[in-house]
Formats: sequence, structure tokens, C-alpha cells
Amino acid sequence: DAGVIQSPRHEVTEMGQEVTLRCKPISGHNSLFWYRQTMMRGLELLIYFNNNVPIDDSGMPEDRFSAKMPNASFSTLKIQPSEPRDSAVYFCASRIYLANTGELFFGEGSRLTVL
Amino acid sequence: KNEVEQSPQNLTAQEGEFITINCSYSVGISALHWLQQHPGGGIVSLFMLSSGKKKHGRLIATINIQEKHSSLHITASHPRDSAVYICAAQSNRDDKIIFGKGTRLHILP
Repeated sequence: DAGVIQSPRHEVTEMGQEVTLRCKPISGHNSLFWYRQTMMRGLELLIYFNNNVPIDDSGMPEDRFSAKMPNASFSTLKIQPSEPRDSAVYFCASRIYLANTGELFFGEGSRLTVL
Repeated sequence: KNEVEQSPQNLTAQEGEFITINCSYSVGISALHWLQQHPGGGIVSLFMLSSGKKKHGRLIATINIQEKHSSLHITASHPRDSAVYICAAQSNRDDKIIFGKGTRLHILP
């Protein structure tokens, strides 16, 4: 299996621009997570989906952030408009949700720099 | 107070030393995860455990549910073990995964 695939790996954009990050989970996994990692705050959960349905989005910083999972094999995280404080590495992870168990598999991350 | 606390925050040791990283958590959990992140790299799951002990090569993870404490041990440490090790508690209430701040390990040759 190819693992969790994220794109783009790196993105540099200017403040105010729209940013879209993409994630393809491992085939057969039915839980998908979006995390953000910064030096100051470490890893933070933004949102997670079970069976394509958003379960908890309380970690989404504000209305500028939105996430969708239109099908089991694809998810997007969108920031509009982007701000310099959004600069971070954004990770997607997936697992099999079964009775609260299931090892997490992470993508390589998308490094976002907002100028 | 963070719900997941790791210690130490930073650890430098000589090659060959026995390494212990500790994790304490305050939430009820269904599982405890140990993750590894190399500099500039992705995150890899090392262990997921809910009781007892697990071993994989030179790595050992233990958990004490009553004391809400887990440890990650590395035997015969090697410079390639240098990485950030992250403990994460999976809540048994809402399945949310709560991360510790990580322990930065540096093994000197």
C-alpha cells in the first residue's frame, strides 16, 4: 500500500490567498484526521472524520478553516483567506476505526508558509 | 495543566545507553500511542497499547492503567534513534487523540 498521501508537500503563498491541502487515506481506513504542527504548540488535532462524516471539528481555529471528505478516498483542508500565523506543517492521518482501536498512519505532511 | 505530559522534554545520551521516556495522562483512555518523528520527517507510529507491555526490536513500551502512566524504553541506543518521541492518549469518551509535547532525543556516537 502507498500509505497516506498528502499534497502538496510544500506550499508558499501570500497572505489572503486560498490554500487547499489534500489527503488520500489508506484504502480501507474509515477514520481520517487532520493535524497541525508548530514549534510553539506541537501537534494539534484540527478535525476528524469517521466514515466520511465530521465527528469533531472543535480544533479548527476559526471560520477561515474548512475541511471536507466527499468520499472514503479523499479529503481536503482549506484555508481562506490564509494568514502568516497559519504557517505550519499540516498532517493527515488515517486508521481503521473499530471499537476505539486502530493504529494511526500519518502522511508526510504539507509544509505551509504564508508570507 | 496539559492532559498528556511527557518527560524529559530533551534528552541527550551516549550511544549504547538505555533510554526511558515517560508519559503521564489525566484522561480516561482506550489506547495510548507512541509516535516517532525524525527531523524534517514524517510521523511514524511505534506502538499502540492499552495494557501491559509491547516490544519491537530495541523498543519497549509499557503502560500502567491504574497510575495513568506509560514509558518508552530504548535499549542499546544508536544515533539513528535520534528523533522526537510523542506520546498520545486516545480518549475513551470521544475517541479524540491528545498529544504530548514530545521528547527530543539526541544520541551521540
